[in-house]
Amino acid sequence: EVQLLESGGGLVQPGGSLRLSCAASGFTVSDYAMSWVRQAAGKGLEWVSIISSSGSIDYSDSVKGRFTISRDNAKNTLYLQMNTLRAEDTAVYYCAKDWLFDDWGQGTLVTVSS
Amino acid sequence: DVVMTQSPLSLPVTLGQPASISCRSSQSLVSSDGDTFLTWFQQRPGQSPRRLLSKVSNRDSGVPDRFSGSGSGTDFTLKISRVEAEDVATYFCMQGTHWPRTFGQGTKVEI
Repeated sequence: EVQLLESGGGLVQPGGSLRLSCAASGFTVSDYAMSWVRQAAGKGLEWVSIISSSGSIDYSDSVKGRFTISRDNAKNTLYLQMNTLRAEDTAVYYCAKDWLFDDWGQGTLVTVSS
Repeated sequence: DVVMTQSPLSLPVTLGQPASISCRSSQSLVSSDGDTFLTWFQQRPGQSPRRLLSKVSNRDSGVPDRFSGSGSGTDFTLKISRVEAEDVATYFCMQGTHWPRTFGQGTKVEI
């Protein structure tokens, strides 16, 4: 059974940093494309970043230059390093499996506020 | 970016009756290999999204057959043949043909 478990969210001041983790089980992260998708409270879904099975990476314009996606194959875990955080980055962050997001984690809440 | 527009944004429904949600894209979702990557997700209150349908009409494992998808090009529809109480949720369409992936605003289905 595929399971995705995000962690690392919390309250951070504007300009601060956080690293999110997504621990996977039931499949091998490096065999699939993996994405981060976020959702502000009461709002819609926004794709943030993707890392393909071959290691190709892409970001949305809203986070390019501030966020970094990576994975640790030994730990079967996906990461999102978030720097220079802004109030508008406040959201629940989900990791999602494969190109068309066939499985999602439960999400982790990131709040950027002073 | 491809803009996905859903309607209605709120849909009052009656148990046992059909329901329909429209999703339109600002560009054709037909890919270079001929596939159309239009996906539907269900998000129940307090839960993470769950994929229901991919490539317009392919139901994911465990999805009841009362959910169906149709459409082509830029115009797509999600239909629930007979609404059940567990179908109360927000439904999102997403295009998977172009980068970046983009989602509709969501349609809230309420009894």
